[in-house]
Amino acid sequence: QKEVEQNSGPLSVPEGAIASLNCTYSDRGSQSFFWYRQYSGKSPELIMFIYSNGDKEDGRFTAQLNKASQYVSLLIRDSQPSDSATYLCAVNINGDSWGKLQFGAGTQVVVTP
Amino acid sequence: EPEVTQTPSHQVTQMGQEVILRCVPISNHLYFYWYRQILGQKVEFLVSFYNNEISEKSEIFDDQFSVERPDGSNFTLKIRSTKLEDSAMYFCASVGTLAGELFFGEGSRLTVL
Repeated sequence: QKEVEQNSGPLSVPEGAIASLNCTYSDRGSQSFFWYRQYSGKSPELIMFIYSNGDKEDGRFTAQLNKASQYVSLLIRDSQPSDSATYLCAVNINGDSWGKLQFGAGTQVVVTP
Repeated sequence: EPEVTQTPSHQVTQMGQEVILRCVPISNHLYFYWYRQILGQKVEFLVSFYNNEISEKSEIFDDQFSVERPDGSNFTLKIRSTKLEDSAMYFCASVGTLAGELFFGEGSRLTVL
């Protein structure tokens, strides 16, 4: 059974602080890793992707990947109230079509002013 | 900015009735998907569609489900005889040139009574 696991939260973060989200995955054939943001009642929106071990930064977001530990994380720096959402970790497994993703259940982030 | 559009936004139906959910993917995308999200649960892959045929489907996508691209723009999901457990948000998505970058529509909420 291919699993993507996340802490459900809620993760409460003061405005301006760093939010740290974690995700583990079970299938070693996972090759691509994604973070989607989903506001309540809305559809998911891609915010970051990472393919290689290490860090990848995009604006206030940093994704970190450790394939040996089967672990991917997302850091949100200078958190804003607009960052309050559920963050979905997703993986694409080698051999699956480009858009076939295994999603985690998501971590709810609440940024408090 | 190009977007995926879905109709209807909300449909209420009686158990056993047929439902058709419609999607217009982004025009130059070639890979199309249906995902669903039961309230409070994970986003789950249902089916992928490429070159006018199903390329992959999940265990959820049983004989009650079908997909079609009846013309050059629309992409439909049909549920032949709805069950209570089919109540969910159904997302259509398409992928462009970046693997895993799913562009989701706003979703169709299906309520089966």
